[in-house]
Amino acid sequence: AQKITQTQPGMFVQEKEAVTLDCTYDTSDPSYGLFWYKQPSSGEMIFLIYQGSYDQQNATEGRYSLNFQKARKSANLVISASQLGDSAMYFCAMREVYNTDKLIFGTGTRLQVFP
Amino acid sequence: DTEVTQTPKHLVMGMTNKKSLKCEQHMGHRAMYWYKQKAKKPPELMFVYSYEKLSINESVPSRFSPECPNSSLLNLHLHALQPEDSALYLCASSQALAAGGDTDTQYFGPGTRLTVL
Repeated sequence: AQKITQTQPGMFVQEKEAVTLDCTYDTSDPSYGLFWYKQPSSGEMIFLIYQGSYDQQNATEGRYSLNFQKARKSANLVISASQLGDSAMYFCAMREVYNTDKLIFGTGTRLQVFP
Repeated sequence: DTEVTQTPKHLVMGMTNKKSLKCEQHMGHRAMYWYKQKAKKPPELMFVYSYEKLSINESVPSRFSPECPNSSLLNLHLHALQPEDSALYLCASSQALAAGGDTDTQYFGPGTRLTVL
């Protein structure tokens, strides 16, 4: 079974609008971490935001926020005020406490921001 | 500073060549990783070094040989590769927290785009 599922292969958003990228996960570990990475066409994987399974509040980093719904096992990334430079591939990933050396990636969502 | 550097940025090699990819970090991280990424796919883990010891080998063919000379450096030696090994090779590093380290964030380098002819 897929541990990380990203159901949106591609998304479009107009500049200055907000966009939500979906991510659901599956784990029986009581403790885990959820990560979002951005990968522009240049190839580098850029760390955006982290959410711990025991964190009570949703993580935020500038224009990025993580909508964490533990009961639904979802960890959606919200990008506010989209910019043209946000056009990239976005990967959701999970790290389980008993498998700490491995980062499990979803299949990614390609976001395109248009003027 | 969360910089991981990789050299070279691009590499073209023949199937009989021997080459090496290099990765360096100066964040004091004690875990380093090699990933392989094909186009439009997520990265696939190849190797993990933790405290300079190989802790994970994801059944990678022996034509790929990792080396961790010290805590800041990670090499990937390539020999007798196949055209299907053409991919983006990403290096990453993390603090390598002890058990319970779900917060251990991996920071990636810019990658080496490898083409095998």
